[in-house]
Amino acid sequence: RKEVEQDPGPFNVPEGATVAFNCTYSNSASQSFFWYRQDCRKEPKLLMSVYSSGNEDGRFTAQLNRASQYISLLIRDSKLSDSATYLCVVRSGNTGKLIFGQGTTLQVKP
Amino acid sequence: GAVVSQHPSRVICKSGTSVKIECRSLDFQATTMFWYRQFPKKSLMLMATSNEGSKATYEQGVEKDKFLINHASLTLSTLTVTSAHPEDSSFYICSAYGAEQYFGPGTRLTVT
Repeated sequence: RKEVEQDPGPFNVPEGATVAFNCTYSNSASQSFFWYRQDCRKEPKLLMSVYSSGNEDGRFTAQLNRASQYISLLIRDSKLSDSATYLCVVRSGNTGKLIFGQGTTLQVKP
Repeated sequence: GAVVSQHPSRVICKSGTSVKIECRSLDFQATTMFWYRQFPKKSLMLMATSNEGSKATYEQGVEKDKFLINHASLTLSTLTVTSAHPEDSSFYICSAYGAEQYFGPGTRLTVT
């Protein structure tokens, strides 16, 4: 079983739609959680950290459920520029090692 | 601006040759850097943790004699792919810890 699992998609949505991505992780000792965005042939870039209380950054909302070992990302009012691959990332312990999910591809169409 | 740089950004080499990739932290010191590899449509896989002044720690399944890592200073780590083969063709990305974990822009290696 993969340590971090995501539905690879692709998710094809029209502009303005709301889309949600889910992620599960297997290691209950995981310490920190993130969503990264990766554009084609580029390095991943931090989109937002994820906290148990849930957090929001503009059109993006992230949620963490430690009991279910489940992470989500909600994107409201999708823009064409949101088209990318979204990576669910988990940090284990204090080593600083980041474990990446396969990524979920989003394509926003006009 | 970029806080972690990689060089080269793209390299094509012949099978059997060695390729060196540099990773630099630009405005901070990094005692630890990480090397990842990403195949098309796949996730980033951690290859090794590079420790300044000591040996790198390799992940299971990564050959340390094939992927040589040197972290000689607090701002530079190098990854050398020795005796490269076509199956080593991939996107290699380094990262370093500053205020957060920053990623370099990646190096696309093609072995012909």
